[in-house]
Amino acid sequence: GDSVTQMEGPVTLSEEAFLTINCTYTATGYPSLFWYVQYPGEGLQLLLKATKADDKGSNKGFEATYRKETTSFHLEKGSVQVSDSAVYFCARDGGGSEKLVFGKGTKLTVNP
Amino acid sequence: KAGVTQTPRYLIKTRGQQVTLSCSPISGHRSVSWYQQTPGQGLQFLFEYFSETQRNKGNFPGRFSGRQFSNSRSEMNVSTLELGDSALYLCASSLGRGTYNEQFFGPGTRLTVL
Repeated sequence: GDSVTQMEGPVTLSEEAFLTINCTYTATGYPSLFWYVQYPGEGLQLLLKATKADDKGSNKGFEATYRKETTSFHLEKGSVQVSDSAVYFCARDGGGSEKLVFGKGTKLTVNP
Repeated sequence: KAGVTQTPRYLIKTRGQQVTLSCSPISGHRSVSWYQQTPGQGLQFLFEYFSETQRNKGNFPGRFSGRQFSNSRSEMNVSTLELGDSALYLCASSLGRGTYNEQFFGPGTRLTVL
């Protein structure tokens, strides 16, 4: 079935390091793709999204490009901050419905 | 504008009991979806409601049910609780259906089944 696979965590980086969290998806058709972030004790917040191939979503220094040829949507940030410590979820939509299919999540810890 | 609110935030029940969780969407939002989050299974879709009708349902047993009221508030119910139902239950609301409508998540209700 349709699924989302993202790199296993946890990921630990030093402040100002470069971040990549890999995400690939399987789907029939061309789903919309999302990255959500969950801070400790909170619900999920939409970080960025892309709705068609070659779209680049960006927000707060994070970027991800919808790559149809590799069915990927990797999250990147050039210089992470301690405040970026959180769990990041890659997701795709369920084809016209509100259903979101999530990856397992990647916990990021950024040390000063 | 107030965000999505979920009550209660924490709940402890014993096996065999039933539980009702509540979700109040952002004002004006008509679509509400529920998700279960566990360490083992991650985030899994439970159901979606729009205009008081269930539009989509995930792969969960019939013990899990829900409803939506005319003011778009939603409740989900789990009967005959099992230990494996311990999870964070997240509610999300959006203006309408379709992925062009961003889903806004509440803080969740953490259910512990003893």
